[in-house]
Amino acid sequence: DTEVTQTPKHLVMGMTNKKSLKCEQHMGHRAMYWYKQKAKKPPELMFVYSYEKLSINESVPSRFSPECPNSSLLNLHLHALQPEDSALYLCASSQDLKGGGVTDTQYFGPGTRLTVL
Amino acid sequence: AQKVTQAQTEISVVEKEDVTLDCVYETRDTTYYLFWYKQPPSGELVFLIRRNSFDEQNEISGRYSWNFQKSTSSFNFTITASQVVDSAVYFCALTSRAGANNLFFGTGTRLTVIP
Repeated sequence: DTEVTQTPKHLVMGMTNKKSLKCEQHMGHRAMYWYKQKAKKPPELMFVYSYEKLSINESVPSRFSPECPNSSLLNLHLHALQPEDSALYLCASSQDLKGGGVTDTQYFGPGTRLTVL
Repeated sequence: AQKVTQAQTEISVVEKEDVTLDCVYETRDTTYYLFWYKQPPSGELVFLIRRNSFDEQNEISGRYSWNFQKSTSSFNFTITASQVVDSAVYFCALTSRAGANNLFFGTGTRLTVIP
């Protein structure tokens, strides 16, 4: 069962609000990802967690703060966002990033459509 | 450098027509993986296929088929007898160890199937 769930599906927030996006997977995957996707563009990688440790941060502004409480959960905390941060935020997971020789398939959730007013 | 090019921005076909989506990639790594994902209007990226660089065998899955040719660095995707439910944006993607296992996406091809 390849399923990644994300909540909420839609989020509207003001520039002074604090909100969080949640992602969950129960496939036993040890790598989890956050992507940002603007309209008519491909997804852009934001963060990668491997074995609950942040392994990649693609120079994302500090108003985005990721958290991986355990191997099944991934959060993205949002604070003081700008209107240009409005986008579809996608979470993904894959089996294992370690070992070097294996590159695993990433499975994506349905995304959270974020609008910043 | 890792790069994926999907030259077709938008394609429209009439239902039951066949359609091929092109994907050309660049990588210096000898071991790499290619993917196709489908993104319907709902937004979820649906995994369709993964291919490694050592396996050039073409694959067929129902109405879907993929043609991998290392000589031309292409990994094309054909939908036979298209249906309205095939309407979506299709992304080709590449990953390799040289790219730190990051998934490099093409810009996507929007397919519209007209009933």
